[in-house]
This record gives sequence, structure tokens and C-alpha cells, in this order.
Amino acid sequence: GENVEQHPSTLSVQEGDSAVIKCTYSDSASNYFPWYKQELGKRPQLIIDIRSNVGEKKDQRIAVTLNKTAKHFSLHITETQPEDSAVYFCAAGGYNFNKFYFGSGTKLNVKP
Amino acid sequence: EAGVTQFPSHSVIEKGQTVTLRCDPISGHDNLYWYRRVMGKEIKFLLHFVKESKQDESGMPNNRFLAERTGGTYSTLKVQPAELEDSGVYFCASSQGADEKLFFGSGTQLSVL
Repeated sequence: GENVEQHPSTLSVQEGDSAVIKCTYSDSASNYFPWYKQELGKRPQLIIDIRSNVGEKKDQRIAVTLNKTAKHFSLHITETQPEDSAVYFCAAGGYNFNKFYFGSGTKLNVKP
Repeated sequence: EAGVTQFPSHSVIEKGQTVTLRCDPISGHDNLYWYRRVMGKEIKFLLHFVKESKQDESGMPNNRFLAERTGGTYSTLKVQPAELEDSGVYFCASSQGADEKLFFGSGTQLSVL
């Protein structure tokens, strides 16, 4: 089955700096890669996703890149703000209904 | 539009007891999923319903876990008898048709003492 590794487990940045979270996956059949953000005490929410036929996708300060050959994908947050502080989860799947394989999460702390 | 709701938000029980978690998906979402996150680890798939049918229950840990979705609306996940290693956050999620976008509930934090 699929195995998703996520790094780092914790990340602390200064407000205004960039943050990068990296994930690798093992199953080449995976074709959909969502990222979820979970703020403290709240539900995980989809913030951006990318499909395997695309190399990069941007949405304002958030971008995701995908390297299918190397089987890794990354989340990039620019000009970080305190409200970006949360746990971020990457996931891989899409070929077996919505049975996704998640990473172990990255706790991002943006210091004001 | 109401989101996915889960009840209870927290449950503390003793080893050997029974606990039932409930999930109400977004109205009209045929797909309902249960996931679990054990402390600090990944969110792991437990099972997937399409309407009232179990599409995939390959992630269910053992036969102490029983999930139902009678009538294809809300779902329950019962753990009987609970063990220490069952502690974690149980998430429910739903999606519509073939859309991959999952909508999560806030989770049930289960603590087995």
C-alpha cells in the first residue's frame, strides 16, 4: 500500500518568512495530493490540492509543487502570518475512491 | 450549509467499556469515511461507506470496531470492548460523488484509561 512521509514534524518561523513542508509517497498510482490545515481545536480543512498531471499550483500565498518522478510534493507558504500557525497534513491517493494516506503532520508556529 | 458534525467531542472511558461515536455527514454526501489519528502520528483510514454500504473496511483494526450507516445518513462507530491503544482522535469525513475533496468533522478525542 501507499506510504506517505512528512517532514519536518515541527517548524518555527518568524512572521514574514517562508515555510516549506515536504512529503514523499511510495505508490506511483497516487494521482491526487491534497493538503489539509488543522487549527487548534478545529477540523482539518483542505487548503490546496494538486493532481499528477500538474507540476505546480498557486493560490495567493500558498503553493504546492509535485515531482512525480521523485515521488515528492511540497507545500510552500510565503509571507507567513500568525494565523498560518496550525498543523498541516499532506495526503496521497485518488486512485481508490477517497482512501487517502496521510502524513504524520507538521506543526507550524509563526512567531509575531 | 452545515458541516460534518461529530458527537461527542471528547470521551473518557475505562478499558473494557464500550463507546459509540456518531457522525452526521453533510446532507447529500453519499461517501462517508472514518479516519483515526493516534497521538502524533498520521491520520489513518479506517473505512468508507457509500450510502449504507461498506465500500472498504480494510483499515479497521480488529473486530472490536463496528461501524454502521443504517439508512445511508449518519454513521456510528462502536468500540467494544475498548483497549488502551484505541485512544486517539477519530475523524469522520464526507464527500460528494466522485469528488475527491473531503470535508472533515472536528473529531472525537477518545481516551481509554
